[in-house]
Amino acid sequence: EIVLTQSPGTLSLSPGERATLSCRASQSVSSSYLAWYQQKPGQAPRLLIYATSSRATGIPDRFSGSGSGTDFTLTISRLEPEDFAGYYCQHYGSSPWTFGQGTKVEIK
Amino acid sequence: EVQLLESGGGLVQPGGSLRLSCAASGFTFRIYPMSWVRQAPGKGLEWVSLIGGSGSGGSTYYADSVKGRFTISRDNSKNTLYLQMNSLRAEDTALYYCAKGALDYGGLFDYWGQGTLVTVSS
Repeated sequence: EIVLTQSPGTLSLSPGERATLSCRASQSVSSSYLAWYQQKPGQAPRLLIYATSSRATGIPDRFSGSGSGTDFTLTISRLEPEDFAGYYCQHYGSSPWTFGQGTKVEIK
Repeated sequence: EVQLLESGGGLVQPGGSLRLSCAASGFTFRIYPMSWVRQAPGKGLEWVSLIGGSGSGGSTYYADSVKGRFTISRDNSKNTLYLQMNSLRAEDTALYYCAKGALDYGGLFDYWGQGTLVTVSS
């Protein structure tokens, strides 16, 4: 089973700042089958990024993903008020399809 | 528009059973992998189970935490996904989401329902 560890647990930033979220895998994630989801309070998760760096339909270009092997990053170039939320990385190469424990981006 | 509507959650005693349903619309349900993902109160996301689409013969997969207790199934004629949960434990308390998988990568969840709450308590 691939264990995903996200850091930091909480990121306190102001609107307009850049956010950098990290996701580290316990073993190499095959073919970069790494996704990111956003979850706002009281809402279901929403797919943001798949295949490490491809944005899902309707996701603004201030969201970008990068990385390979065991180290992956989600970057939000300039935080908008609606971006303050929880973010989860996930590998989807094979069962079990595991998630990281999440990073909360909160308003400073 | 893809829509996923879960139902069947509620309060159940430890050791009890519950069946969740997820009514799907807006896509060709039978061909897509479908999953259940849960989220305990204040916690992160945990994948629970996946069932393949018609192309895979409906193969099923389970997290170790539910294997032998939960059964995933689908009725393609009704566009509905199910999760039969037996021998429920307090640690199964969570919001259970139905999620649609991508056609080529079943574990990539591109649409989610709003969830149904399961509470296991005496």
